[in-house]
Amino acid sequence: SAVISQKPSRDICQRGTSLTIQCQVDSQVTMMFWYRQQPGQSLTLIATANQGSEATYESGFVIDKFPISRPNLTFSTLTVSNMSPEDSSIYLCSVEDPPWREQFFGPGTRLTVL
Amino acid sequence: GENVEQHPSTLSVQEGDSAVIKCTYSDSASNYFPWYKQELGKRPQLIIDIRSNVGEKKDQRIAVTLNKTAKHFSLHITETQPEDSAVYFCAASIGTGANNLFFGTGTRLTVIP
Repeated sequence: SAVISQKPSRDICQRGTSLTIQCQVDSQVTMMFWYRQQPGQSLTLIATANQGSEATYESGFVIDKFPISRPNLTFSTLTVSNMSPEDSSIYLCSVEDPPWREQFFGPGTRLTVL
Repeated sequence: GENVEQHPSTLSVQEGDSAVIKCTYSDSASNYFPWYKQELGKRPQLIIDIRSNVGEKKDQRIAVTLNKTAKHFSLHITETQPEDSAVYFCAASIGTGANNLFFGTGTRLTVIP
């Protein structure tokens, strides 16, 4: 399966600031996704990062709050904008890995907003 | 979007016993159903998946069954071991691939030595 890395692994931020999380894959993949996992909770899909076009957001998530870039087939970024303590979560990227079309997760970024 | 319900939320079993976790989904267009295991502080790991063209799939001590008519699927772990202790998540995806996964709420499995 693809090897996925994320940066940073964790961060502590002040409210009102923004943080950009990077996701790097060691092979070209068509589909990349961003999820949020609040403490002790399940995973919630934020958006699908599409190469060459705007991301597709799930209900409850908007581009102004979570802008996403996908400049090529191995890299994506998620920005958490104008952060509040409610944004404290683990943010995970994932990829759909051919040929079996299974989804694998990166190690996650643990974000704490004070 | 899809709505996935998962039960139970916690499950304790004696080592060597079997564990069963059940999920239901709402969208009949869902065709792909993976199960993930997440240990504390780690990323979710895919342990088994099933597509709608089969009713059962087995991999050593782990099996998944799917009933498309009833819209439910289950994870079965036999001969449980302490290292099986983790949180397990089911998920469902519309279409044949693993895109746009909607997750259940998770089951915390504890295997008591």
